[in-house]
Amino acid sequence: DAGVIQSPRHEVTEMGQEVTLRCKPISGHDYLFWYRQTMMRGLELLIYFNNNVPIDDSGMPEDRFSAKMPNASFSTLKIQPSEPRDSAVYFCASSFGGDTQYFGPGTRLLVL
Amino acid sequence: GEDVEQSLFLSVREGDSSVINCTYTDSSSTYLYWYKQEPGAGLQLLTYIFSNMDMKQDQRLTVLLNKKDKHLSLRIADTQTGDSAIYFCAETFSGGYNKLIFGAGTRLAVHP
Repeated sequence: DAGVIQSPRHEVTEMGQEVTLRCKPISGHDYLFWYRQTMMRGLELLIYFNNNVPIDDSGMPEDRFSAKMPNASFSTLKIQPSEPRDSAVYFCASSFGGDTQYFGPGTRLLVL
Repeated sequence: GEDVEQSLFLSVREGDSSVINCTYTDSSSTYLYWYKQEPGAGLQLLTYIFSNMDMKQDQRLTVLLNKKDKHLSLRIADTQTGDSAIYFCAETFSGGYNKLIFGAGTRLAVHP
């Protein structure tokens, strides 16, 4: 199994630009999670999906952030417009039946 | 609210045992997890324990759970330089079965 796949691995952009992060969960998994990791706040759950439906988005910081899961094998996290304080590592994770979560390698985002 | 606490740093000599400690607040957590994060990488699941167990052993890893004190520990026997990483403790959030609450992580440094 290829594991959770995220792209891009690194993203550098300028303030105000739109950023789209992508995730492919492990095949057969029905839960998908988006996390953000920073030195100051540690690991934060942003949103999670079950069977492609958003279940809890209470961790999404503000309206600039949006996430979609159009099908069972693909999800996006979009930031528009991006700000320097959005700089972080964004992780996607997936699980089967809500059990053990398996993480992707992350996308390191730098907003200048 | 839910909270998971860990010490931030641990330094051990190669070949010695490492013990990483964690305290949590949600007594109804079903599972407790240990994840490992190497520099520039995602979180790798190390092991987990069901809340009705006291101990779980997996090769060099031993997990101890004290439910009364809400204390979880991870012991790594014969610690090697490859064990140098950040170790995260996580509990399941009783208000949302599929949510994990992470500690801030313990940075383990192994020196010769």
